[in-house]
Amino acid sequence: DTGVSQDPRHKITKRGQNVTFRCDPISEHNRLYWYRQTLGQGPEFLTYFQNEAQLEKSRLLSDRFSAERPKGSFSTLEIQRTEQGDSAMYLCASSLTGQETQYFGPGTRLLVL
Amino acid sequence: GENVEQHPSTLSVQEGDSAVIKCTYSDSASNYFPWYKQELGKRPQLIIDIRSNVGEKKDQRIAVTLNKTAKHFSLHITETQPEDSAVYFCAASMVDSSYKLIFGSGTRLLVRP
Repeated sequence: DTGVSQDPRHKITKRGQNVTFRCDPISEHNRLYWYRQTLGQGPEFLTYFQNEAQLEKSRLLSDRFSAERPKGSFSTLEIQRTEQGDSAMYLCASSLTGQETQYFGPGTRLLVL
Repeated sequence: GENVEQHPSTLSVQEGDSAVIKCTYSDSASNYFPWYKQELGKRPQLIIDIRSNVGEKKDQRIAVTLNKTAKHFSLHITETQPEDSAVYFCAASMVDSSYKLIFGSGTRLLVRP
């Protein structure tokens, strides 16, 4: 297990299209987080899963965004009707209950034209 | 909600000198403070963290100090090396909650050979 993985690493799409990203956490990590990072800024929290339950969503997560973690392992983040303002790096992180450390994936860089 | 401010936004030091990055947080309930290093195009990586029940923690050339009363914490890097050049992010979290991380805006550190 080499850590958190994300796919794809890069995505270019046209405004109005739907995109889906995947995150595979470290094995046995039951907590999974999604963050968004724009150029020159720190990551911003989007949503959090404990096992398959989505327990918290940021106000940043508009109704065009949906995240799932159906079996408590990998997670997907879907953005519908993309807008240019959605262009950012989408980072996934995982951790183990009782341990504070979050391990980040390499991110998916999204560019909306 | 929690807000984390980070200064300076850029820092240039001569190799061998020390570097100090400072962060302040707003929510007194925050009790976990990690520091991440992010090299260009790579994932954030944890370099050191501190919990609110201690005032200082060291790991070789890196140290973090925490002042709970003033609600600020700092990263100290001694004997800087060119490979320390990166963007550094501080973050705050409440470990009794979702453990979501609230990040500062980052400090770009340049170590001049």
